[in-house]
Amino acid sequence: AQSVTQPDIHITVSEGASLELRCNYSYGATPYLFWYVQSPGQGLQLLLKYFSGDTLVQGIKGFEAEFKRSQSSFNLRKPSVHWSDAAEYFCAVGPPVSYGNKLVFGAGTILRVKS
Amino acid sequence: NAGVTQTPKFQVLKTGQSMTLQCAQDMNHNSMYWYRQDPGMGLRLIYYSASEGTTDKGEVPNGYNVSRLNKREFSLRLESAAPSQTSVYFCASSATEGSYYEQYFGPGTRLTVT
Repeated sequence: AQSVTQPDIHITVSEGASLELRCNYSYGATPYLFWYVQSPGQGLQLLLKYFSGDTLVQGIKGFEAEFKRSQSSFNLRKPSVHWSDAAEYFCAVGPPVSYGNKLVFGAGTILRVKS
Repeated sequence: NAGVTQTPKFQVLKTGQSMTLQCAQDMNHNSMYWYRQDPGMGLRLIYYSASEGTTDKGEVPNGYNVSRLNKREFSLRLESAAPSQTSVYFCASSATEGSYYEQYFGPGTRLTVT
């Protein structure tokens, strides 16, 4: 069965510092990979996705993620964090072909930004 | 476009009461989903509907029922609410062609069962 691990429950970074959020997945083949962000009291918004091709993908709000097949990882990065990036971030995976296009989500990482 | 809408936003129930959470999408998506979100557990799939007229169980279906009323609407029903169903519930939808894996989420319903 697929699974997604986000090892860090909470991360605190200073405004302007760089950020990396970790995501590891367990799946027999290369799945489709996603990062979502959830601001307090809101629904989830898609930041970026990886289906195939270039392993470094760009998303919205200045985020990027790199797919590393050898490490089964899809880590999210941002060069310079802004206070408005404080939110909860979810990594999700889905098999390339599946009935219902279901996704499996990680437990989330809460990002705090200190000024 | 409103995207995915959910009603109500907040609800408090007593144990044993029933209620229906409503979800609608205006993106002509085929697939719809109901998740619950609990602290430290991410989102867990309750039920999903791959297309109009079909529904299937997800990871945590016990205590819930769903209805895919038409292509736009997908409701979640709690027949006899329990405190363990206190959670935030999200509805989502996705297309089945092109970027079909992207799921679009509603704003959520915060449910408390006392």
